[in-house]
Amino acid sequence: DQQVKQNSPSLSVQEGRISILNCDYTNSMFDYFLWYKKYPAEGPTFLISISSIKDKNEDGRFTVFLNKSAKHLSLHIVPSQPGDSAVYFCAASAPGRDDKIIFGKGTRLHILP
Amino acid sequence: DARVTQTPRDKVTEMGQEVTMRCQPILGHNTVFWYRQTMMQGLELLAYFRNRAPLDDSGMPKDRFSAEMPDATLATLKIQPSEPRDSAVYFCASGLVLAGAVSSEQFFGPGTRLTVL
Repeated sequence: DQQVKQNSPSLSVQEGRISILNCDYTNSMFDYFLWYKKYPAEGPTFLISISSIKDKNEDGRFTVFLNKSAKHLSLHIVPSQPGDSAVYFCAASAPGRDDKIIFGKGTRLHILP
Repeated sequence: DARVTQTPRDKVTEMGQEVTMRCQPILGHNTVFWYRQTMMQGLELLAYFRNRAPLDDSGMPKDRFSAEMPDATLATLKIQPSEPRDSAVYFCASGLVLAGAVSSEQFFGPGTRLTVL
């Protein structure tokens, strides 16, 4: 049973436009959410995170939005650049879980020239 | 430039053989994780350690997988005997968990691509 779901396996976006990656979760105990980015033949790297006490966190071109009532979060990339082409993993953790993070299956983002 | 290292990067073996994957976490990190990435399951947590003690290995098939931290600079994941369904990319990650912290960032190694024929 997937506790963190990324229902879109892939997404194509024109360079310069906004990329929106979505993530849903089922465990209401999750209180910390992260996005990781992965290039081929490399390990995932941390991108941005958000605590459940917030509904938005912004870092440069990347913004994560959290809707707790809908158990949904999204990552917005504006403007999209060719280097953003990668697999994006949504992840979540619950308090008292010894820092255990549950990852989604990932969404492959293609930025088109 | 501190980073997690993993060896080997690629491993091709035959069914039934023993496979050992190694990881050197970032110096000073107190938590080490082993993940497996497959197309079907995404990133699955297999096991993790805090201060070299195993905290959770419930994601690991215990009859054939074992994970250890002989010392603070080395974590190993062993499969014996290996099976074709074990073919995947295995990632090690490390992090520094501080008391009272909400969570900590995990730093991933480049992975070991395992192919079991």
